[in-house]
Amino acid sequence: KQEVTQIPAALSVPEGENLVLNCSFTDSAIYNLQWFRQDPGKGLTSLLLIQSSQREQTSGRLNASLDKSSGRSTLYIAASQPGDSATYLCAVNSGGYQKVTFGTGTKLQVIP
Amino acid sequence: GAVVSQHPSWVICKSGTSVKIECRSLDFQATTMFWYRQFPKQSLMLMATSNEGSKATYEQGVEKDKFLINHASLTLSTLTVTSAHPEDSSFYICSARRQGPRGTQYFGPGTRLLVL
Repeated sequence: KQEVTQIPAALSVPEGENLVLNCSFTDSAIYNLQWFRQDPGKGLTSLLLIQSSQREQTSGRLNASLDKSSGRSTLYIAASQPGDSATYLCAVNSGGYQKVTFGTGTKLQVIP
Repeated sequence: GAVVSQHPSWVICKSGTSVKIECRSLDFQATTMFWYRQFPKQSLMLMATSNEGSKATYEQGVEKDKFLINHASLTLSTLTVTSAHPEDSSFYICSARRQGPRGTQYFGPGTRLLVL
């Protein structure tokens, strides 16, 4: 059974800092991994999708990496802004039924 | 990009009533749709996987008679919460996937259910 863990559970940084969010998973036989953000009381916003054959994906100030062999992914946010404050979830697509398992989330607060 | 809609976006109902939530893939055909549930301050938990034209596969601990899932077409799946109780109050999110295991899952905006 796939288990996905995110560290830290919460993070508070001053505006302008670069930061890294971590995601680890127990079963490395994955199809892809996706990073989402969720604002309070809202649905999911897809940020980046990395297929199992890829090592990283970039979108604007966001860069996600994938190390399948070690069961890890990181989301790098450059020059953080208060608008980046949200909960970030990683989701791993794996298993015979291609199920998506969500991580526990990292709640990010960027202080102006 | 692919769009998935959910209806309603929020619903308040009395205990004992049934509530139906629709999930639609607007611009693609989804052979598989998924239903998730999220409790406050927790992550999303997969409830069931539904394939068009067949019975849904429920995760362990999810009552299939309580949460009825129908996937009658390639663009529509419904989740019916039967005889709702306050503990069913939650945020329900669906996702839809194009054909193939590497297909991206596209998530709906979610439905917030409050049972009084």
